[in-house]
Amino acid sequence: EVQLVESGGGLVQPGGSLRLSCAASGFTFSSYEMNWVRQAPGKGLEWVSYISSSGSTIYYADSVKGRFTISRDNAKNSLYLQMNSLRAEDTAVYYCARESVWGSYRHFDYWGQGTLVTVSS
Amino acid sequence: DIQLTQSPSFLSASVGDRVTITCRASQGISSYLAWYQQKPGKAPKLLIYAASTLQSGVPSRFSGSGSGTEFTLTISSLQPEDFATYYCQQLNSYPRFTFGPGTKVDIK
Repeated sequence: EVQLVESGGGLVQPGGSLRLSCAASGFTFSSYEMNWVRQAPGKGLEWVSYISSSGSTIYYADSVKGRFTISRDNAKNSLYLQMNSLRAEDTAVYYCARESVWGSYRHFDYWGQGTLVTVSS
Repeated sequence: DIQLTQSPSFLSASVGDRVTITCRASQGISSYLAWYQQKPGKAPKLLIYAASTLQSGVPSRFSGSGSGTEFTLTISSLQPEDFATYYCQQLNSYPRFTFGPGTKVDIK
């Protein structure tokens, strides 16, 4: 069974840092591209960051570029999001999501349960 | 960047109703569109990808259609467990895959 379990969320002051983790199981983690998606309270979904299966290709949303760093450890079946210089507008539930490809069609077929990050003084 | 709009934003319906949600893209995205269902406090769940391909395990009352800039998600006979928020996602502008604003389906 595919499982993605996020951890590391919590309350942090503006300007602070937090590192999120996503533990993967039930599939060959090193074969899949991964993403972070967030959802502010009562709002819609926002794509945050992407990492290729090897970790060699990385992209960020403009809203987090220069502040967040995505990484992965395929030996540990884990995905990470290092979040620095946090702002109130970064308050959200953060999901890790597996990206699958069917032909040329991509989709996020498995999601973790999410971890809440609250940025407040 | 490709923008997505969804209509309606909110929909009130009864069990057994046929429900249609529309997603429009600001530019053509071929069939690079997915639909997700999200219930309160839960992660999104993939329903449909490639605009019309049903994800494994998803009931056949869900269907998707469209290409280019206009897409629809149809629930042929609304069930109690279908009351949720539905999001479309474009997967054309790799890898910045933006989501629509969502459509909340509520009980009439």
